[in-house]
Amino acid sequence: EAGVVQSPRYKIIEKKQPVAFWCNPISGHNTLYWYLQNLGQGPELLIRYENEEAVDDSQLPKDRFSAERLKGVDSTLKIQPAELGDSAVYLCASSLGGTSGGVHEQFFGPGTRLTVL
Amino acid sequence: GDSVTQMEGPVTLSEEAFLTINCTYTATGYPSLFWYVQYPGEGLQLLLKATKADDKGSNKGFEATYRKETTSFHLEKGSVQVSDSAVYFCALISNTGNQFYFGTGTSLTVIP
Repeated sequence: EAGVVQSPRYKIIEKKQPVAFWCNPISGHNTLYWYLQNLGQGPELLIRYENEEAVDDSQLPKDRFSAERLKGVDSTLKIQPAELGDSAVYLCASSLGGTSGGVHEQFFGPGTRLTVL
Repeated sequence: GDSVTQMEGPVTLSEEAFLTINCTYTATGYPSLFWYVQYPGEGLQLLLKATKADDKGSNKGFEATYRKETTSFHLEKGSVQVSDSAVYFCALISNTGNQFYFGTGTSLTVIP
């Protein structure tokens, strides 16, 4: 079974440029997460989707970050314009999720390492 | 709010040494607890989990017991191998939602 796929794996851009990351979750997983991981830190949630609905985006800096999950499958995360402090690893994860209860393991992609110069 | 505090690293051990990585948590209700491992250049992988008090999660020789009285979920392994070198993250999810809270990670290096 294929895992969570992310692309690109690495991205180097200059500040003020836009950048986009793509995530393909595990087939059948309704819940999709985007996390930010700074060097030496644990992942921090940016946004969580249940199907195509963003149910928790309270930690997403909406002035420059946006995300979408059309058709409730793939998702893209965009930064426009990028700042030096955005340099980090952006992780995507998926799980069976849902609001019917139960605890579902999250499966993580390899991440996209962004460097802003 | 909910949070996880784990032992700071880095940790360096010789092969076959005993490993303990401490993790304590703060949460309302009864969270589920996890240990994830991140090998160099890879995404996080679930190592083990425990969903209620006194449960013991185990996998690949690693163990952790959910201790409600001490709000802890310490990771242990009796004999580490070079291949265990990685970053280990303790995490919780509350029983009221699907949001994970991760610790800051503990880097482990095992030397031959």
